[in-house]
Order: sequence, then structure tokens, then C-alpha cells
Amino acid sequence: EPEVTQTPSHQVTQMGQEVILRCVPISNHLYFYWYRQILGQKVEFLVSFYNNEISEKSEIFDDQFSVERPDGSNFTLKIRSTKLEDSAMYFCASSAVTGTSPLHFGNGTRLTVT
Amino acid sequence: GENVEQHPSTLSVQEGDSAVIKCTYSDSASNYFPWYKQELGKRPQLIIDIRSNVGEKKDQRIAVTLNKTAKHFSLHITETQPEDSAVYFCAAFPTGTASKLTFGTGTRLQVTL
Repeated sequence: EPEVTQTPSHQVTQMGQEVILRCVPISNHLYFYWYRQILGQKVEFLVSFYNNEISEKSEIFDDQFSVERPDGSNFTLKIRSTKLEDSAMYFCASSAVTGTSPLHFGNGTRLTVT
Repeated sequence: GENVEQHPSTLSVQEGDSAVIKCTYSDSASNYFPWYKQELGKRPQLIIDIRSNVGEKKDQRIAVTLNKTAKHFSLHITETQPEDSAVYFCAAFPTGTASKLTFGTGTRLQVTL
């Protein structure tokens, strides 16, 4: 069964540094998402991406965040200047279509900001 | 926006018993309701979903019911096994071309021997 893959599995960075989290969505999927989960809390929506542009974003997704699909297969999340509160598990997901199509999640990147 | 509430936050059952987790949602436009199981340190995995044109769906020991009028949906696990122990999240997905999946707060299910 095709899977969403994410790298790295764990990223440690210092406050103020930039990080890029990488994802390879399932190949025939059209919609891509980033979610985050602070330890012990619920999964929170960050951003959705379709047709090479952001479709929707949450209030969490401020100017420090950006997404990109640089080469037709990868989907990246960049955090420009990390803060301590950005420490969380970041999940990439993709779906064939939106609305009533299941989201398939990657294994996540655990980001630790020190 | 959509708001999904989930109860209980923790649930402990004995092996073989049934477990029920309930969710309510606020946006009447939501029309897709998946349930995810998340084991410790792992990704959420879809276990069952239901669409708004259906009132109930079953897959082996797992069933989901949806009451659109009351805006609530429930997950039922029968004959629970220790491997069912995990955190379960309900979610709601409003209609639209770029809708976001809104998750509930999760239920930690513990199945004891």
C-alpha cells in the first residue's frame, strides 16, 4: 500500500534557526496537508495545499511558516525562525480529493526546539 | 469554523467488553467523519469513516453511527482486545474545495486483561 513518507523522523534545532520538514505524498494524490500535534494533545490543522498554492491555513500558520512543492514530488514545510513552542510532532498528509476522501498521514517529524 | 468535542477523554474496559466513544460537531455543513487510531509515537491511522448520507457503518468489530440532526457520531468497538489500546480521534470534514479536517481531543482507550 502506498504511504506518505516524511524526513527526518526527528529534528533538533536551536531557537531562532530555520528548519525544513520534508514529505513525499502518495503519488496520485492532489491535496496535501500539514498538521501538528503537541505532545499529549490533539492533532491540529496547519495548512492545505492544492494546485501549487495554499488552499487554506489556520491561525497557527503565521508568517514564520511556509510550504512549497519544489519538484512535483516533495512537499516541504519551512519554519523560518523557530520558537520553543514550535516543538511538536509535524504530520504531513495527502488525499486523492478533498471533502470525503480519506487523509493518509506520514509517520511524522518530531521537532524539538531548544 | 468547525468545532469537534469528544468524550470521554479516557476509557478503561476489560478485554471482551465493548467501548463507545462519542463526538459532537458544530458545522452542519460537515459531511465526512473519519476515526483515527494513534498508537504511542506513531501516526494517526484511519480505522473507519462515515459519510453524511449514511447513518451507520460496520467493519468487523468496529462500527460508527451518525446522527446528522443531533450533530453527533459515535465509535463502537466490540469484543475489545489489548491491541485496541490506543488514542482514538474523531474528526469532521466540512464541504468545500479546500476543507480542513478538524480533530476531536482524543480518547485514550485502555483494554485490560
